[in-house]
Amino acid sequence: GQNIDQPTEMTATEGAIVQINCTYQTSGFNGLFWYQQHAGEAPTFLSYNVLDGLEEKGRFSSFLSRSKGYSYLLLKELQMKDSASYLCAVREGGGNKLTFGTGTQLKVEL
Amino acid sequence: SQTIHQWPATLVQPVGSPLSLECTVEGTSNPNLYWYRQAAGRGLQLLFYSVGIGQISSEVPQNLSASRPQDRQFILSSKKLLLSDSGFYLCAWSLRGYPGQFFGPGTRLTVL
Repeated sequence: GQNIDQPTEMTATEGAIVQINCTYQTSGFNGLFWYQQHAGEAPTFLSYNVLDGLEEKGRFSSFLSRSKGYSYLLLKELQMKDSASYLCAVREGGGNKLTFGTGTQLKVEL
Repeated sequence: SQTIHQWPATLVQPVGSPLSLECTVEGTSNPNLYWYRQAAGRGLQLLFYSVGIGQISSEVPQNLSASRPQDRQFILSSKKLLLSDSGFYLCAWSLRGYPGQFFGPGTRLTVL
């Protein structure tokens, strides 16, 4: 089984940088995903890490350390529209099943 | 490009009534398909997944069932709804050999 931990809530200022952490425990790690979910909407794919290191995609970056069971999502130049829940999900083994964390609710303020 | 549809978007049902939610995918063949439920303030819970027609794996014991009568159609059903079945139901698909999953717009179910 898997255990995935994320902070429940975070608040940040427009234009700033915020880092959302995710820690996991799994017996057969095979990739980590970040999704963004606005209230009342479906999750949308942000990033995928399977090897250690940083993956950058525009204002969003995701980092993975497999030895530490740790990932973070970095959001730069925050905008009001970035207010959403950010879900960390882990793939275990060779199948396609993902286990999701409960999400981090990010609030961007002026 | 691929698209995924779910209907209805919202549904209000009495306790004990049946349920049928439908999901269809366009623009791809032989996808893996998934049903998730998201209860208020909680994470996504995988309910069922399917790797092909008629092949269903259940993740959580419950009064729900799933069927895949066609390659790109996935149906979630219940014979008698419970109050605890209320939630946001999401269908997702993935390509063979690629682990990422892509979600449909969801159905918000309220059981009264």
